[in-house]
Amino acid sequence: AQSVAQPEDQVNVAEGNPLTVKCTYSVSGNPYLFWYVQYPNRGLQFLLKYITGDNLVKGSYGFEAEFNKSQTSFHLKKPSALVSDSALYFCAVRLSGGSYIPTFGRGTSLIVHP
Amino acid sequence: NAGVMQNPRHLVRRRGQEARLRCSPMKGHSHVYWYRQLPEEGLKFMVYLQKENIIDESGMPKERFSAEFPKEGPSILRIQQVVRGDSAAYFCASSPITDRADTQYFGPGTRLTVL
Repeated sequence: AQSVAQPEDQVNVAEGNPLTVKCTYSVSGNPYLFWYVQYPNRGLQFLLKYITGDNLVKGSYGFEAEFNKSQTSFHLKKPSALVSDSALYFCAVRLSGGSYIPTFGRGTSLIVHP
Repeated sequence: NAGVMQNPRHLVRRRGQEARLRCSPMKGHSHVYWYRQLPEEGLKFMVYLQKENIIDESGMPKERFSAEFPKEGPSILRIQQVVRGDSAAYFCASSPITDRADTQYFGPGTRLTVL
């Protein structure tokens, strides 16, 4: 079985400050981890993924995420938030060698205040 | 390279009518996934198809819902005899090959409203 938890429904941050959107996962094996962003009335856009190798993954729009195996986490980060980063963020996991169907978290609403 | 296309973007149906949602995957992609998103909820998997094959329909209700991905043309998600609870955003995603590391690319969604 595989599961993803995004413990915060909403994250508020001031523009220019660093942001973190949290994600923890549970799989019985090696995970493939993904972050997507959804703007209002749009589909999900791929941001970045961890497959193997370097634990720090860099993605689109200045976002990065760090894979932490011991803490089973894959938190999304950005050094300096923009108002335009305000959106809904989804973490997803697939199990290497498991189902082709990813499991998505419930989503975290990021609000960046001017 | 055009992205994943979905149409219509908005669909209004009265209770008891049929809803047909279409999804054209990205060029070169032969795998399609359908998801449903309800307000305040996450993304729920419905069905996974390859050309002419349903691979996994474990997330799809047994009654009234069906999906296909013919050899030619778009994938279609069909909802018969719609009820108010079917109102949601329906997204499809496509990927190129059978690899769990593959990224899924999402369409803009169809927002279904049942009156």
